[in-house]
Amino acid sequence: EAQVTQNPRYLITVTGKKLTVTCSQNMNHEYMSWYRQDPGLGLRQIYYSMNVEVTDKGDVPEGYKVSRKEKRNFPLILESPSPNQTSLYFCASGILSIGGSYNEQFFGPGTRLTVL
Amino acid sequence: AQSVTQLDSHVSVSEGTPVLLRCNYSSSYSPSLFWYVQHPNKGLQLLLKYTSAATLVKGINGFEAEFKKSETSFHLTKPSAHMSDAAEYFCVVSAIETSYDKVIFGPGTSLSVIP
Repeated sequence: EAQVTQNPRYLITVTGKKLTVTCSQNMNHEYMSWYRQDPGLGLRQIYYSMNVEVTDKGDVPEGYKVSRKEKRNFPLILESPSPNQTSLYFCASGILSIGGSYNEQFFGPGTRLTVL
Repeated sequence: AQSVTQLDSHVSVSEGTPVLLRCNYSSSYSPSLFWYVQHPNKGLQLLLKYTSAATLVKGINGFEAEFKKSETSFHLTKPSAHMSDAAEYFCVVSAIETSYDKVIFGPGTSLSVIP
C-alpha cells in the first residue's frame, strides 16, 4: 500500500530533551516536507526537500533540523525542544511535476507532540 | 510573495443543500492550487488540484473548484452536502519563487453539515 508513515504518533517530552520524528514514504517521491498544524493557523511548512541531500527552509524552520540521506526517509529533529513546539506535525511526500513545482502531496497520519 | 485567504473560518449547511467554501490567493508566479480535506483526527487528503490545465476542476466525492485568474479565486463547491462532508478544508497555493518551491496553506474552513 502506498503510504507515508510517521513515528511516533504521540509523544510527550520535556524541555531540552532531543527528539527525532521519523518519516518514511514508499512511493519513490522526490519531494518531502514537514508541517506543523496549530489551531487557527492552518499548516505551516517547516522544511522541505526536493531530493536526496537537498533541503530548504519553509516558513517556520527555527528550532528544527532535517536531513535527507535516503530518498524514502526525511526525519525531523528537535535538538532542544521548547513548549512553543507543542503541535501536530505532518510529514508529506509528493511528485515533482515538469518545471519543478510540486504537483500533489500525500500526507502521513500526523504526530502529536507535547513539550512540557 | 504568496498568500492564501479562506474567507470563512466556519460554514454550516443543511444536508442536501449546496456547499461553497471560498478561497482567494495571491501569487506573483503561475500557481498550482489545491484543496485538501481533513476529517477529525485524520491526516490530509487531496480533494482536487489545478495545475494550469482546465479551469474547472473536478475532484473526489462530488466536489468541484473553478480557477478564476481575474478574481484570483479558487472556490470549492458541491451541489448537495452529505453528513460525511463535515470536516476541515484547506486551500493551498504552490509556485516556484526565485530558486525555491513555496507552499502556503490557508487557515482552513470548518464545514458543519446539519441533518
